[in-house]
Amino acid sequence: EAQVTQNPRYLITVTGKKLTVTCSQNMNHEYMSWYRQDPGLGLRQIYYSMNVEVTDKGDVPEGYKVSRKEKRNFPLILESPSPNQTSLYFCASSFERGDTQYFGPGTRLTVL
Amino acid sequence: AQSVSQHNHHVILSEAASLELGCNYSYGGTVNLFWYVQYPGQHLQLLLKYFSGDPLVKGIKGFEAEFIKSKFSFNLRKPSVQWSDTAEYFCAVNGGYQKVTFGTGTKLQVIP
Repeated sequence: EAQVTQNPRYLITVTGKKLTVTCSQNMNHEYMSWYRQDPGLGLRQIYYSMNVEVTDKGDVPEGYKVSRKEKRNFPLILESPSPNQTSLYFCASSFERGDTQYFGPGTRLTVL
Repeated sequence: AQSVSQHNHHVILSEAASLELGCNYSYGGTVNLFWYVQYPGQHLQLLLKYFSGDPLVKGIKGFEAEFIKSKFSFNLRKPSVQWSDTAEYFCAVNGGYQKVTFGTGTKLQVIP
């Protein structure tokens, strides 16, 4: 089944404790992206990747890191999480830029 | 920079009522336009998209949208809504940039 998976689905952590949210797609898509969804603000792009080893900042990259060492994986790293990063995070992928995106199930992160 | 405006934040309709959700974007060049839907507790999925050709596009579940280039609009319509259409709807635009910009979303509540 074609899908985007994210782990964990729920995470409660404390300020400053490094964490990684994994994202994997099995559709051989080149384009992958991370979004955060906040009430009243919709989805805002954090980082995106055009292909392996090619990443770029989205609209709200501060406090986040990403890497794209393999085509299928695009982990989101929070080196030192803060409470303002409490949010719902979605990973998405598409065959190429501008194409239909397929979204993962979301990761609800709470930073205390 | 490209931007997307969804003017209706929360819409409440009775079943069988007609629906129109507004979406306006700002970008001077060629755009790809999308409507995504997020049902309660689920991830986003594509409702319909416009890349080129006929400006009236049809999507799943009886939804359609019309691209009006002169008005920079891509409004979503459905002649008769059902309770199962209760969801949050996001308009998205991809212009000449690698990234996609989402609107803030419209929550639709359909009352049986």
